[in-house]
Amino acid sequence: QKEVEQDPGPLSVPEGAIVSLNCTYSNSAFQYFMWYRQYSRKGPELLMYTYSSGNKEDGRFTAQVDKSSKYISLFIRDSQPSDSATYLCAMRKGNMLTFGGGTRLMVKP
Amino acid sequence: KAGVTQTPRYLIKTRGQQVTLSCSPISGHRSVSWYQQTPGQGLQFLFEYFSETQRNKGNFPGRFSGRQFSNSRSEMNVSTLELGDSALYLCASSLVAGAAGNTIYFGEGSWLTVV
Repeated sequence: QKEVEQDPGPLSVPEGAIVSLNCTYSNSAFQYFMWYRQYSRKGPELLMYTYSSGNKEDGRFTAQVDKSSKYISLFIRDSQPSDSATYLCAMRKGNMLTFGGGTRLMVKP
Repeated sequence: KAGVTQTPRYLIKTRGQQVTLSCSPISGHRSVSWYQQTPGQGLQFLFEYFSETQRNKGNFPGRFSGRQFSNSRSEMNVSTLELGDSALYLCASSLVAGAAGNTIYFGEGSWLTVV
């Protein structure tokens, strides 16, 4: 079983929809939680970074962490076609990241 | 402020050859990590360097090696290339190693194709 599980999708939504992306993890040693966005043939771009249970908001993006359930989520409000990309959750222990497999999101105009 | 710079961006090598990839971290960042991304295995940690010392190593064979220079620039080397080494190799940099507020930024990657 992988340490970090993420539904690969693809997830297809209409423009303007609220998108929910999720990851579960099994290692309690993970201290910090990140979401990266990766466009085709590009490097991952850091979107959100959290280190405690609860919510963190940044513009249209909200990251949610529930350490008791070992579950993290990313919500995207008012989704745009430019949000179409692969979204990767990542868990950090020390300075090493363990990634989920990524969820491919497609936002249709 | 310049981001993480990786060179070369694309390269094709033949089985059995070796390859060296280069990474310049964000100015002031002292920690550099390398990751391999493939369609089958996703993103996997290779190794991390801080102050010219390898701090962590992932589960990869000894053919994969790296080093960091005094200016924090890093190189990774893969010897005796195999077809399965075809991947996107990503370099990541961060200000320090392991600190709470430490965010990790990735470069655009080096696309390696082994034929």
